[in-house]
Amino acid sequence: QQQVKQSPQSLIVQKGGISIINCAYENTAFDYFPWYQQFPGKGPALLIAIRPDVSEKKEGRFTISFNKSAKQFSLHIMDSQPGDSATYFCAASMLGETSGSRLTFGEGTQLTVNP
Amino acid sequence: ETGVTQSPTHLIKTRGQQVTLRCSSQSGHNTVSWYQQALGQGPQFIFQYYREEENGRGNFPPRFSGLQFPNYSSELNVNALELDDSALYLCASRQGPFGKLFFGSGTQLSVL
Repeated sequence: QQQVKQSPQSLIVQKGGISIINCAYENTAFDYFPWYQQFPGKGPALLIAIRPDVSEKKEGRFTISFNKSAKQFSLHIMDSQPGDSATYFCAASMLGETSGSRLTFGEGTQLTVNP
Repeated sequence: ETGVTQSPTHLIKTRGQQVTLRCSSQSGHNTVSWYQQALGQGPQFIFQYYREEENGRGNFPPRFSGLQFPNYSSELNVNALELDDSALYLCASRQGPFGKLFFGSGTQLSVL
């Protein structure tokens, strides 16, 4: 059972544009929602994360928007740059000693930013 | 640099063989988890070790097993390899239950 659904599968934007990736989750027990960036040949790297007690979190050009009632969250990349070209994964988990490392990942979005 | 080192980077095995993948975490990272990432897919949680004991497992059969050692290193063992086991295997570690999760670059396993 896929518990985190991610869209779109691929995304092409122009340099300076806004990239938007969406995710929806099913398990209402999830209370931690990170976004990861993965380059070819590398492991995922944490970009930004949010807890469900806030509706938005911004770090530099990256913003997470969170809608608890709709069980949806999204990543916005402002002023997208060619160096942002990578695969992005949303994920969800329950924070805690035994569950904190058990991330459920989305299927990933291949982002290409054209110069 | 995540401080999580995995070896080897690439490995080719034959169906039915056994394989051991290794991971070295940062000092103080007492929680380690392993993930399987098939081509074009998101990582799938295999299991987690906390203070050298398994305390969480995903939907993977018992032929996937692990060990965590006091020196912050760990192993993933897979017995009776199947073709579908071909994937990138990722190790991740964190300091405590609320620490940031750091991933290694993975071991690419090919089963022929």
